[in-house]
Amino acid sequence: DTEVTQTPKHLVMGMTNKKSLKCEQHMGHRAMYWYKQKAKKPPELMFVYSYEKLSINESVPSRFSPECPNSSLLNLHLHALQPEDSALYLCASSQDPRNTGELFFGEGSRLTVL
Amino acid sequence: KNQVEQSPQSLIILEGKNCTLQCNYTVSPFSNLRWYKQDTGRGPVSLTIMTFSENTKSNGRYTATLDADTKQSSLHITASQLSDSASYICVVLSKAAGNKLTFGGGTRVLVKP
Repeated sequence: DTEVTQTPKHLVMGMTNKKSLKCEQHMGHRAMYWYKQKAKKPPELMFVYSYEKLSINESVPSRFSPECPNSSLLNLHLHALQPEDSALYLCASSQDPRNTGELFFGEGSRLTVL
Repeated sequence: KNQVEQSPQSLIILEGKNCTLQCNYTVSPFSNLRWYKQDTGRGPVSLTIMTFSENTKSNGRYTATLDADTKQSSLHITASQLSDSASYICVVLSKAAGNKLTFGGGTRVLVKP
């Protein structure tokens, strides 16, 4: 199983809603990542979890709150988002937290904030 | 500043033809360079990972080259197919600054019948 699974695939939410994006991998990878990708732009790193601990936070606004319940799951909790937060949110994982190996991406969650 | 520049930004080719995408980087110290294929609205899929000592690496009809001296890489697509229509992203890993990946802006390829 070489998949990173993200749910939901599409999400529409209002600025006052609270929602969550979920990511799951069963490859035994010890590093998991959240990226944000706007149209026609490359992915931008948001958070990195290494051995279930937050190791990198790229100065992301607090309305985005990551959570790593266990080594296979990664969540991104969303609250009071702005329309400019609309984007494709990509989860990724890698075997090596030092990030020197293969990075496996999920299919992404397309978020629209109204 | 670590940067990855890709060219062209976009290109259109006819089915069956070959094309070459370019990637120039200033990332230092260099660890490895990756090429990803990303279909519209989907996650990137890895094509190749190349380390300092590798000059050429193939994955089916995709062949990547790396010149670590000039800090240039290319991705050659042979006998293009309609399914090759996608964005191709060059990504460089540096062991400095916490093993950070620097992404290029991508090249959008459209293959026409």
